[in-house]
Amino acid sequence: EVQLLESGGGLVQPGGSLRLSCAASGFTFSSSAMSWVRQAPGKGLEWVSAITSSGGSTYYADSVKGRFTISRDNSKNTLYLQMNSLRAEDTAVYYCAKVPPLSHLKYYFDYWGQGILVTVSS
Amino acid sequence: DIQMTQSPSTLSASVGDRVTITCRATQIISSWLAWYQQKPGKAPKLLIYKASSLESGVPSRFSGSGSGTEFTLTIRRLQPDDFATYYCQQYNSYPWTFGQGTKVEIK
Repeated sequence: EVQLLESGGGLVQPGGSLRLSCAASGFTFSSSAMSWVRQAPGKGLEWVSAITSSGGSTYYADSVKGRFTISRDNSKNTLYLQMNSLRAEDTAVYYCAKVPPLSHLKYYFDYWGQGILVTVSS
Repeated sequence: DIQMTQSPSTLSASVGDRVTITCRATQIISSWLAWYQQKPGKAPKLLIYKASSLESGVPSRFSGSGSGTEFTLTIRRLQPDDFATYYCQQYNSYPWTFGQGTKVEIK
């Protein structure tokens, strides 16, 4: 059974930093690209960032480019999102999402974590 | 960037109804479209990929169609468990983008 478990969320002041983790199990982590998708309170889904299966290529939404960094450790089956210079508009539930294997940049998401809340407020 | 627009934003329906949700893209995306279902407080769930392929385990009353720029999600004989918000997502090109969502409410 595929499981994705996010951690590391919480309350942070504007301008602060936070690192999210996503522990994966139940599939061959090193064979799947991974992504982060967020959802602001009462709003729709927004794709944030993605990383290829090897970690060799990363992709970002314009709204987070230069502030967020996605990475992965295939030896630990874990995905990360380092979030710096946080703003109030980054407040959202952040979901870790798995991309089906062999997707070749055709990224949709077949499994999602339960989500973790990040609140940016003073 | 490719913008995705869903209609309607809200839909009121009764159990047993046939429901259709439309998703339009601002550029041709071939059949690179997915549909998700989300219930309050829960993660999205994949229903359909490649416009019309049903994800394993998803009931057959869900179906998807379309290609190019216009797509539909149809739910035959709406069930109580189907009241939720539905999102389309294009994955033809980066950045991958979602529609704004369609909430299916009980009439």
